[in-house]
Amino acid sequence: DTAVSQTPKYLVTQMGNDKSIKCEQNLGHDTMYWYKQDSKKFLKIMFSYNNKELIINETVPNRFSPKSPDKAHLNLHINSLELGDSAVYFCASSQLAGDNEQFFGPGTRLTVL
Amino acid sequence: QQQVKQSPQSLIVQKGGISIINCAYENTAFDYFPWYQQFPGKGPALLIAIRPDVSEKKEGRFTISFNKSAKQFSLHIMDSQPGDSATYFCAANQAGTALIFGKGTTLSVSS
Repeated sequence: DTAVSQTPKYLVTQMGNDKSIKCEQNLGHDTMYWYKQDSKKFLKIMFSYNNKELIINETVPNRFSPKSPDKAHLNLHINSLELGDSAVYFCASSQLAGDNEQFFGPGTRLTVL
Repeated sequence: QQQVKQSPQSLIVQKGGISIINCAYENTAFDYFPWYQQFPGKGPALLIAIRPDVSEKKEGRFTISFNKSAKQFSLHIMDSQPGDSATYFCAANQAGTALIFGKGTTLSVSS
């Protein structure tokens, strides 16, 4: 059973398009996250939701909009995609916000052409 | 401003050797220090973590050493194996805030 799953695994699209990445966790966790990993493997938090409420919103362009329909799902919608958005996006979850172990999904590799 | 500095960027170790990766942090409010392991094409996975009330934590071949006064912590991998070849990230945070990751160390263990 996959604990944290993401779809799609690969996403190739043209500049200017709008795309979404979906994330689901079956761990019963209250907190979910989106991270961006750039080409140099640097991992940076983008957003965090606790029980469907946004609790962390780092300096991310407002073209990125997270949506949490329930505490098991956290989707990421990206408008007007730019070349610099190309990266691997990871969803993660933890039992509580903050310092508990975070379980990461397999990642979605986004390539903007 | 990078709050967690990790070194080296890459590391090559012979099979059976000791791999050592170091991290330094700036924020004295940090109270949780995990290490994550990431294999190519996979998400990071928690390897081992420590809190500042202890100076060392060992789990199998993996040990974290923590020096609160120096604001440094390190990962030691004893008897390194080819299967340990991966990218390792240190991280830190305080309760309720996001994990701040180091830039990663790519470890290659040669057989």
